Amino acid sequence: GAGVSQTPSNKVTEKGKYVELRCDPISGHTALYWYRQSLGQGPEFLIYFQGTGAADDSGLPNDRFFAVRPEGSVSTLKIQRTERGDSAVYLCASRRTGEDGYTFGSGTRLTVV
Amino acid sequence: AQSVSQHNHHVILSEAASLELGCNYSYGGTVNLFWYVQYPGQHLQLLLKYFSGDPLVKGIKGFEAEFIKSKFSFNLRKPSVQWSDTAEYFCAVINSGGYNKLIFGAGTRLAVHP
Repeated sequence: GAGVSQTPSNKVTEKGKYVELRCDPISGHTALYWYRQSLGQGPEFLIYFQGTGAADDSGLPNDRFFAVRPEGSVSTLKIQRTERGDSAVYLCASRRTGEDGYTFGSGTRLTVV
Repeated sequence: AQSVSQHNHHVILSEAASLELGCNYSYGGTVNLFWYVQYPGQHLQLLLKYFSGDPLVKGIKGFEAEFIKSKFSFNLRKPSVQWSDTAEYFCAVINSGGYNKLIFGAGTRLAVHP
């Protein structure tokens, strides 16, 4: 597609539930990043994929968070046993390797009640 | 660890006023610097970037930024703001060798009144 697509755009879940957030990057963009933006803060790095592998997952806050990108295109961010503190906008960005231009998606607003 | 500081969290201006948003970063090596804008309800968009060369960088919509290495600063400026500039502005940095991951500041929310 023309841009980075993230689904769903909004997700409300109960505390303790499991959620999956999807990112569909621009075709041909091998680099994919997940960020989390809490209210009043700038986006915070979570994880970076180069192709299928997670090259840097140093931003994942704990082992409840996990992300995959099995075929090197679509990525899924998975959060287990959600907590109210996980409420935020989760952003995905993709980039063509060797270029400096990121394209961000519109994000998924996750609300844990 | 790298960090980015944006001095103003909220700025309110009248149309035609001049704008300067501060940004300082903490990293001693080679950095690439960015300003992103997020209009209400929209995704992050690149305003301008600095990689090397002329430290005065011009971006879209009349914005510019100046890289001052000695001050670790990359302030954003616009001589005359418009109501349509109402948005949130984020400064970001990439350090060379850091997988090109952007480190963002907390953002500055700009409101421009007609």
